[in-house]
This record gives sequence, structure tokens and C-alpha cells, in this order.
Amino acid sequence: DTGVSQDPRHKITKRGQNVTFRCDPISEHNRLYWYRQTLGQGPEFLTYFQNEAQLEKSRLLSDRFSAERPKGSFSTLEIQRTEQGDSAMYLCASRETGGGFDTEAFFGQGTRLTVV
Amino acid sequence: AQKITQTQPGMFVQEKEAVTLDCTYDTSDPSYGLFWYKQPSSGEMIFLIYQGSYDQQNATEGRYSLNFQKARKSANLVISASQLGDSAMYFCAMRDPGNTGKLIFGQGTTLQVKP
Repeated sequence: DTGVSQDPRHKITKRGQNVTFRCDPISEHNRLYWYRQTLGQGPEFLTYFQNEAQLEKSRLLSDRFSAERPKGSFSTLEIQRTEQGDSAMYLCASRETGGGFDTEAFFGQGTRLTVV
Repeated sequence: AQKITQTQPGMFVQEKEAVTLDCTYDTSDPSYGLFWYKQPSSGEMIFLIYQGSYDQQNATEGRYSLNFQKARKSANLVISASQLGDSAMYFCAMRDPGNTGKLIFGQGTTLQVKP
């Protein structure tokens, strides 16, 4: 396990379609985060999991967005009825909490979504 | 609320020279952590360096050092001996004060290293 992996790397979809992204964190990391990054901006927090429990969701996460981490390992982020405003890079990150409060988060390479 | 400000949208530096990327932050929490990440064109965010608010010394990691000035609420990243591979987007981030570990990012600075 060499890092956080995300799939797919790129996704082009038509407006109104549903899309699902997958994130595989570093195996021993119990926390998993999703961020969204639009062009020229820094990443913005969407949601995070402690093991399989989703503990916080940003107001950015509308009802069309849902995230799961069913067995506390990989996570999925689904967007229903995509809109052009959903076009962005979706980044996943993981970190362990046992080693101390300020351990760094490790990021995947992201999924770039384009809604046409 | 916590806020990170990076006022330099783009910076140029000559190869082998040092460069400073600015970051100021705003928080009312006495305990906080500051991070710098590098984002190449491939998209992955790469952790560079961390500074805790109670750390007595400025953090250093190889060619990266953090100029932490607590009274001024600044945490500037210094890259020494710039290399062509340093060309990327650089983000300053702050840990959210709750026990979530989520990060609040600035808008980033694009660094271009000239040969």
C-alpha cells in the first residue's frame, strides 16, 4: 500500500447523470476526508469519516451528494443529477489519529469531474 | 472563524535561488497547526512541512523551512536552492480547531522555477 488511490482519475458526464467516485485510503488510516477543489482555488472540505461513521458534512454537500465508507476501508462519493457547477477536482485524503492530533493528511491524485 | 490568506497568486524564481511564499492566518484558538502542501500538475497534494502553534522553533524539512511569526500570524514557506521540479501550486492550510482534523486551505500560490 503506497498511498491513497482514487478512481477514476477523470470523468466526463452529461448534465443530469449520476456519477460515483472511489477512494482507497492508506490501510491503517482510520480517518478519511473528501474535499472539492475548483479551478484556481484551494480545496474545500466536504465530509469526513472516522472508520465507517460519517461524522461531519459541509453545507457544500447538497442533497445530491452522498458519501459512504461501508466497512471502514474504501469510500465512495456519489453525485446524483449532476450540474455544471459540480465540475471540479474531488480529492480524498486519509490520516491516522493514533499517532497524535497533528498527523498530516495524505491525499490521492483526485478525480477531475467535467459536467457537459 | 479560521481563515488562511495567500496574497501571491504567482511567483517566479531562478533555479538554485531561494524563494519565500507568504501565508497569513486568522484564528482565535490558542492551539493550532499549520501545514504546507505542494500540488503539481498531476493533482496530488504532497505534504511538505508542519508547524504547531506551541512549537518553539521554526520547522525545517530538507530544503523547506517555515518562517513562523506568531505575533504577526504569518507562516511563510521558504524553499532554498530551487529546482525545476519545484514548479507547482503551493497551499498553506490550517487544522480546524475541532477534533476533526479537517484542513482549511488558502487560495494557493503558483511557483514557476526558471532555468
